[in-house]
Amino acid sequence: DIVMTQSPESLAVSLGERATIHCKSSQSVLFGPGDKHYLAWYQQKAGQSPRLLIYWTSIRESGVPDRFSGSGSGTDFTLTINSVQAEDVAVYYCQQYFDIPPTFGQGTKVDIK
Amino acid sequence: EVHLAESGGGLVQPGGSLRLSCAASGFTFSSHLMQWVRQGPGKGLVWVSQITSDGRSSNYADSVKGRFTISRDNTKSTVDLHMSSLRAEDTAVYFCVRGSLSVRNVSDHWGQGIQVTVTS
Repeated sequence: DIVMTQSPESLAVSLGERATIHCKSSQSVLFGPGDKHYLAWYQQKAGQSPRLLIYWTSIRESGVPDRFSGSGSGTDFTLTINSVQAEDVAVYYCQQYFDIPPTFGQGTKVDIK
Repeated sequence: EVHLAESGGGLVQPGGSLRLSCAASGFTFSSHLMQWVRQGPGKGLVWVSQITSDGRSSNYADSVKGRFTISRDNTKSTVDLHMSSLRAEDTAVYFCVRGSLSVRNVSDHWGQGIQVTVTS
């Protein structure tokens, strides 16, 4: 199975500041044709089910604010939340969907400082 | 609006069985791959199983292979997860999840989840 490792486990940022979450896959999740990385990000607020934020590394799902952005290549990926808002307090998970089983990172908790 | 409603969870003894069901609405169910993902208490997300849109093919996590069976009824827009030989480590919230139509294996809508507790 492809292992996804996130860092940090948690972070606290001030309102309006930037939050950066890292995700590393144990092997490439790149599919040749189109050079697409099979990497997604999900947000889970306390007591709620997860919500898809980003897929193909950097494509925002419909309705996701543009302060959320994804980047990366190879085995290293990043979720950036520009100008963090109070409603962004949540746990964020990366996921590879290159292979079965799809696997998630352990999650990164984002809080307000 | 996409809606996924899980039912059938509860308390069960080790070695017992339970059948989860998910009723889908608000989209063309027969076009979508469907998944089950679980989350243990205070833990992260773990993919459990998925079934193709036509029901002909399914996959399982190694931890549940041979014990869990996924099935679907496209006439009723339901997907089930039959769980047997349950263990304490199967205790979790189980989410019914819709697979994206355009991005294989990406989970684009999640149900609210249902609690399964395995304890003696």
